[in-house]
Amino acid sequence: DADVTQTPRNRITKTGKRIMLECSQTKGHDRMYWYRQDPGLGLRLIYYSFDVKDINKGEISDGYSVSRQAQAKFSLSLESAIPNQTALYFCATRDRGLTEAFFGQGTRLTVV
Amino acid sequence: AQSVAQPEDQVNVAEGNPLTVKCTYSVSGNPYLFWYVQYPNRGLQFLLKYITGDNLVKGSYGFEAEFNKSQTSFHLKKPSALVSDSALYFCALTNAGKSTFGDGTTLTVKP
Repeated sequence: DADVTQTPRNRITKTGKRIMLECSQTKGHDRMYWYRQDPGLGLRLIYYSFDVKDINKGEISDGYSVSRQAQAKFSLSLESAIPNQTALYFCATRDRGLTEAFFGQGTRLTVV
Repeated sequence: AQSVAQPEDQVNVAEGNPLTVKCTYSVSGNPYLFWYVQYPNRGLQFLLKYITGDNLVKGSYGFEAEFNKSQTSFHLKKPSALVSDSALYFCALTNAGKSTFGDGTTLTVKP
C-alpha cells in the first residue's frame, strides 16, 4: 500500500459544484500539505497543517478550504469549482525537521 | 522571501553522457535544498538533499548535487545518463516547514 493515498485519482466536475479531494497517510507524520501543479509553474502550496488543530494558508488558498480530520487525514475542498482550478493536485507529508516530503500519486481534476 | 529558479525548461542529453540540471536559489537564512523527480502520472520522489556539511551530496539512482554558496546554486548531476532518467526534475528550498519549488526541468535522455 502507498504511504500517501489520494482519492479520487481523476475527477471531472462541472463549474459551480463542490468537490472534495481526500488524502490519507500511513507515515505517522504530523505535517501535511496540499499542492497544485500546472504545466510550467511547478508546485504551488495551497494549504498546510503541522498538527490536527493547525491549518495555514499557502500562496494560493483563495477558492479552497481544508480539513484535518485526524493526524492521518487531510482533505481539500473546492467550494464552487471554476475552470481555472483544472490542475493536478498533490498531497504530501513530512516529518518534523529538515526532512524530505512524501507525495501521493496526485488527483487530476478537470472543471468543465 | 525565498525563491528557486530552474533556468532550463528542457535538458536533452545522449545516453552515457554526463547530465546537469541547474538550480539557483535566494533565501535570507540558511539554504536547505532538495531535489525531487517526477515520472509520468506519479507523485514526486525524493532524490537528495543538502542541509549542511560536504558541498557534494550523493543521492538515489546515482545522482549527486553540488552546493555552491557563493553562486547560490545547487545543480543536479549524474556522470552517465540513462534513458530511464528521463523525467521531470524539481529543485526545492525548505524553510520553516514549507517548501518553495522551482518550475521544473524536463530531462530527456536519448539512446
